Amino acid sequence: DSGVTQTPKHLITATGQRVTLRCSPRSGDLSVYWYQQSLDQGLQFLIHYYNGEERAKGNILERFSAQQFPDLHSELNLSSLELGDSALYFCASSVGASGKGENIQYFGAGTRLSVL
Amino acid sequence: AQKVTQAQTEISVVEKEDVTLDCVYETRDTTYYLFWYKQPPSGELVFLIRRNSFDEQNEISGRYSWNFQKSTSSFNFTITASQVVDSAVYFCALSPIYNQGGKLIFGQGTELSVKP
Repeated sequence: DSGVTQTPKHLITATGQRVTLRCSPRSGDLSVYWYQQSLDQGLQFLIHYYNGEERAKGNILERFSAQQFPDLHSELNLSSLELGDSALYFCASSVGASGKGENIQYFGAGTRLSVL
Repeated sequence: AQKVTQAQTEISVVEKEDVTLDCVYETRDTTYYLFWYKQPPSGELVFLIRRNSFDEQNEISGRYSWNFQKSTSSFNFTITASQVVDSAVYFCALSPIYNQGGKLIFGQGTELSVKP
């Protein structure tokens, strides 16, 4: 068990809908990262938050947004969902950030999103 | 551009065989980190090892060993005396240190199947 908690584990929804994925980082970790894993794109970095502030953005669609709350949990919001958004969404956490890659990222079990 | 290539999409071995998973990376950074993660059939991503670009010493942990060669931009992973429980998808990843928020850039993964 990595200590990173993601809910829900599975989510089935329809095109055009909006969903929220939740992540609780390991105790003491200030950084949260979101990744998308799909068959065609592989594992792709979406966004990184450190202590409530956005630190880096990857190939995140404008329909997607995220935030990190004062208690350090994070939410990834996906709107106007399309079939192609079906994927496994991972959250990871690490102690620090500061743009330094020495922080090991520990991953949650993921949320599997199916858009029908 | 930064990129990680895992040329072996699938490998199948019989239990007790040794197996090497290849990883080649590209980066213009002089300082960076390299990682290996394991994704078992249950789906979570499990951290295995981190290596920084200054340290080219090989590392051994039980049946696992890693060979980092900066001259060939490779970070290969060997499993000795493989076991059925080693069956998983293995990802190699690169992380810049001084920019981009420490995001992980993943290879496409190698699916290892160990048969009894």
